Amino acid sequence: DQQVKQNSPSLSVQEGRISILNCDYTNSMFDYFLWYKKYPAEGPTFLISISSIKDKNEDGRFTVFLNKSAKHLSLHIVPSQPGDSAVYFCAAGRDYTGNQFYFGTGTSLTVIP
Amino acid sequence: GAVVSQHPSRVICKSGTSVKIECRSLDFQATTMFWYRQFPKQSLMLMATSNEGSKATYEQGVEKDKFLINHASLTLSTLTVTSAHPEDSSFYICSAGTGFGSPLHFGNGTRLTVT
Repeated sequence: DQQVKQNSPSLSVQEGRISILNCDYTNSMFDYFLWYKKYPAEGPTFLISISSIKDKNEDGRFTVFLNKSAKHLSLHIVPSQPGDSAVYFCAAGRDYTGNQFYFGTGTSLTVIP
Repeated sequence: GAVVSQHPSRVICKSGTSVKIECRSLDFQATTMFWYRQFPKQSLMLMATSNEGSKATYEQGVEKDKFLINHASLTLSTLTVTSAHPEDSSFYICSAGTGFGSPLHFGNGTRLTVT
């Protein structure tokens, strides 16, 4: 049973435009959410996180939005750059469990120059 | 930033043999490490939680006798795939965190191929 879902396996965006990656979760007890970026043959690297007490967190070109009532989060990348082309995973968990997170299936982003 | 080293990056072994994968936190102490498995086009699936000095906690459906986890120190966890079979071929990734709710740092993964 997939507790975290990314329904778009791939996304193509023109350089300079906005990339929006979506993620849905089913467990209402999740209160901490993260996005990871993964290049081929490498492990995922942390990108940005948000806790349930906030609905938005911004870090440079990356912004994560959280809608708890809809159990939905999204990652916005503005402006998109070719180096952003990678697979993006969202992850969700319960803060007190000590970093145990559940991952979505990933969305492959391609930024076209 | 925190670094997690995973070794080896690739391993090919014959069916029936055992393979050990190491996960080290290089510049921080990790009381808890996590082991994941990724199938092609599928998500990172949590296999087990490795706790320093105690037994690992396995997710439902993961055979603990097949995937042996040892977390002997605050900087090292090992995953041993025992009596490997071709269906065990996969990409295995470890991760470690520095505290509750903190971002996880991942190793680069190990590509296991069982022939």
